[in-house]
Amino acid sequence: GAGVSQSPSNKVTEKGKDVELRCDPISGHTALYWYRQSLGQGLEFLIYFQGNSAPDKSGLPSDRFSAERTGGSVSTLTIQRTQQEDSAVYLCASSLALGVTVYNEQFFGPGTRLTVL
Amino acid sequence: AQTVTQSQPEMSVQEAETVTLSCTYDTSENNYYLFWYKQPPSRQMILVIRQEAYKQQNATENRFSVNFQKAAKSFSLKISDSQLGDTAMYFCAFMKHVVGGDMRFGAGTRLTVKP
Repeated sequence: GAGVSQSPSNKVTEKGKDVELRCDPISGHTALYWYRQSLGQGLEFLIYFQGNSAPDKSGLPSDRFSAERTGGSVSTLTIQRTQQEDSAVYLCASSLALGVTVYNEQFFGPGTRLTVL
Repeated sequence: AQTVTQSQPEMSVQEAETVTLSCTYDTSENNYYLFWYKQPPSRQMILVIRQEAYKQQNATENRFSVNFQKAAKSFSLKISDSQLGDTAMYFCAFMKHVVGGDMRFGAGTRLTVKP
């Protein structure tokens, strides 16, 4: 597809369950970002992948959150033992990463709305 | 750390009128980017306009323009000739001028354009 896609669109789970959220970036984009948008809030940075480099995990809120990016393309965000405060929209974005002096626009997916009951 | 503040949770404007959304930020960086994103109910984040901090000239994109005051760390968005389709959440965002710079967002302003 032409844009960033995410699945599922909506996910309802019970407290304590694990969930996996998927992101398919734009083909050829080497940079991938995960953000969290809680109700009525702006986006909060979670994690960043660039090529085969070690990811920047500085935004992950707890060790229950983890993410992988296989083959430099698809990424999965996993939340273990979900809590009600994890309820939010999880947005993925991808971009080229052509160099320090070149602006690389981040293109966003439609997000996954996670509801933890 | 960088912070972005949008002090107007909600705003409304009559169709065809002009509205200005406010944004301030705090940073010790000298080179950075500033953005305005639009998020309609579909949740899709759409880039409206961006500004490079090293450019003194304010960015414009059709009906959208910014007032960038670097010394005051202010970055407001002006929407001219407002249209019903402009109804959305608007987020101001900051990004350091580095490869892989993550964006820091404000809490957003909900704009309603009334017919």
